[in-house]
Amino acid sequence: KAGVTQTPRYLIKTRGQQVTLSCSPISGHRSVSWYQQTPGQGLQFLFEYFSETQRNKGNFPGRFSGRQFSNSRSEMNVSTLELGDSALYLCASSDEGMNTGELFFGEGSRLTVL
Amino acid sequence: DQQVKQNSPSLSVQEGRISILNCDYTNSMFDYFLWYKKYPAEGPTFLISISSIKDKNEDGRFTVFLNKSAKHLSLHIVPSQPGDSAVYFCAASVMGGTYKYIFGTGTRLKVLA
Repeated sequence: KAGVTQTPRYLIKTRGQQVTLSCSPISGHRSVSWYQQTPGQGLQFLFEYFSETQRNKGNFPGRFSGRQFSNSRSEMNVSTLELGDSALYLCASSDEGMNTGELFFGEGSRLTVL
Repeated sequence: DQQVKQNSPSLSVQEGRISILNCDYTNSMFDYFLWYKKYPAEGPTFLISISSIKDKNEDGRFTVFLNKSAKHLSLHIVPSQPGDSAVYFCAASVMGGTYKYIFGTGTRLKVLA
């Protein structure tokens, strides 16, 4: 089974631009979560989608948004980029049939804002 | 408000010895806890989990202990190996069908050969 795939792996943007990141979950997984990782802050929860609906949202400004498609693929968008948005953005998928509640992470998309 | 805290940003241990990584939480509603390991340029990978109905869970060299009254959990790695050198994150959740995990800031473990 293929793992969680995130694209692009690396990207550089300038302040004020917007960016869209993509995540393809493990086949059969319907829950997709997004996290932001920055040095010293750990993994900060952005949002979680299940069957095209946002079920949970973290404490990020409205510039951060996401969506999920009918095939469970997900995208997140950050508008009006700021320097502080430079981070590793991680996507994780889950199989709600499992008892462990394990999250399966992709390798991340590293965003640099100049 | 950091609901899950890993107060040691780094830890160095000799190969073959025990590594103990600690995690504290503040929300008494958390009832499911996981540990993840992360190597550079890779996504975190699941290590071990524990639910609040248990106080210990083992998987090979990895054991997680949960002290609910102290709101504290720890991960023990015995014996430690150089390949265990990575950043370890603990995460907590209120189970209920939704996957909103609160992660700690991570502890960088270095196992010295």
